[in-house]
Amino acid sequence: AQSVTQPDIHITVSEGASLELRCNYSYGATPYLFWYVQSPGQGLQLLLKYFSGDTLVQGIKGFEAEFKRSQSSFNLRKPSVHWSDAAEYFCAVALYNNNDMRFGAGTRLTVKP
Amino acid sequence: EAGVVQSPRYKIIEKKQPVAFWCNPISGHNTLYWYLQNLGQGPELLIRYENEEAVDDSQLPKDRFSAERLKGVDSTLKIQPAELGDSAVYLCASSNLEQDPPEQYFGPGTRLTVT
Repeated sequence: AQSVTQPDIHITVSEGASLELRCNYSYGATPYLFWYVQSPGQGLQLLLKYFSGDTLVQGIKGFEAEFKRSQSSFNLRKPSVHWSDAAEYFCAVALYNNNDMRFGAGTRLTVKP
Repeated sequence: EAGVVQSPRYKIIEKKQPVAFWCNPISGHNTLYWYLQNLGQGPELLIRYENEEAVDDSQLPKDRFSAERLKGVDSTLKIQPAELGDSAVYLCASSNLEQDPPEQYFGPGTRLTVT
């Protein structure tokens, strides 16, 4: 069955520390891969996406993600977290022109001062 | 460029009442999506339109939910009658399938509370 798994429901990091949010997928083929961020009361904002080519993808707000085909993973990273990064992060996958997008359950990020 | 617009942002109704949500996609986007987002969950697709045509409504509970996209631009999602379990955020997104690759752009959502 097709699925997207974000194993961590909630992560707390200190401001300035590094961050890695995990995402694993189960699809028959390599899908398009996305990371979105959602602040309270807001819609989803695209951080970055992977379709093909270089497996290390740079996004907005200093985020990056690495696609690892052998592990069916697309983990999101940031070297130094800012307090404004506190939000909910969603990994998503899609096939066939982005029409069938599936989201993970999300990881809530808390940033300690 | 204006983003995806949704209204209202918040709605509180009593169970068994009807409710409607409105979405205005980004200009030029031919594809429109309605998603349901329960608390602590990721969005789940309810219905997808390509222009005026609903091309994927398999997850739309058709006994109480309906949607329309007249003229292939704005869209309305309706629930009648609402149930307590319908309390959630309803997100609208749009994309242009002619873009390569296409991206979905999301509106701020409508938070529905059914009491």
